[in-house]
Amino acid sequence: NAGVTQTPKFQVLKTGQSMTLQCAQDMNHEYMSWYRQDPGMGLRLIHYSVGAGITDQGEVPNGYNVSRSTTEDFPLRLLSAAPSQTSVYFCASSYYEGFAKNGYTFGSGTRLTVV
Amino acid sequence: GEDVEQSLFLSVREGDSSVINCTYTDSSSTYLYWYKQEPGAGLQLLTYIFSNMDMKQDQRLTVLLNKKDKHLSLRIADTQTGDSAIYFCAENEGAGSYQLTFGKGTKLSVIP
Repeated sequence: NAGVTQTPKFQVLKTGQSMTLQCAQDMNHEYMSWYRQDPGMGLRLIHYSVGAGITDQGEVPNGYNVSRSTTEDFPLRLLSAAPSQTSVYFCASSYYEGFAKNGYTFGSGTRLTVV
Repeated sequence: GEDVEQSLFLSVREGDSSVINCTYTDSSSTYLYWYKQEPGAGLQLLTYIFSNMDMKQDQRLTVLLNKKDKHLSLRIADTQTGDSAIYFCAENEGAGSYQLTFGKGTKLSVIP
């Protein structure tokens, strides 16, 4: 049982490049989400999904796309990287049943630098 | 909208108690959480409290909830250097919601 796995752990991109941050969970969690963490800004929600085939925007969705074709995977795509997207990205997931006591399970993060 | 406020920094001596404070705005929140983030790692759930509780104790951790003032606190007894981390307060966005709103985090530094 690996929990929430994020790859890569580190990435450097040039402005204008695109890439996909991977997130996979093996806990059969219905809910998955992406956050970015910036100094002094805390965690901000980018996109989330309540189940396979369903996604929705969070607080800061511009410049990012997501899809949820399976329960396990929730990739985050940067369409054309900008220096403002330099951040640490976290994927989180949860069950609906038992959410109160368990909250979210977080991945270990992807540190992205856009130059 | 929902907002969760925390002070950004706290410094304590090893062996003392730490108290991390949080205020929230959503009176319909049913669960409140404390998460811990160690350097270079993701967030880990430390503890939670239901909105119908005033206090919850779990070993060295004590959570106090003042619903009238919308104030949540986390007390760590006998603080150790391993407790140095960023602590996030979070609330769910109303009954039945699975969305959490996080505070900006309090960085706890423990001085040996």
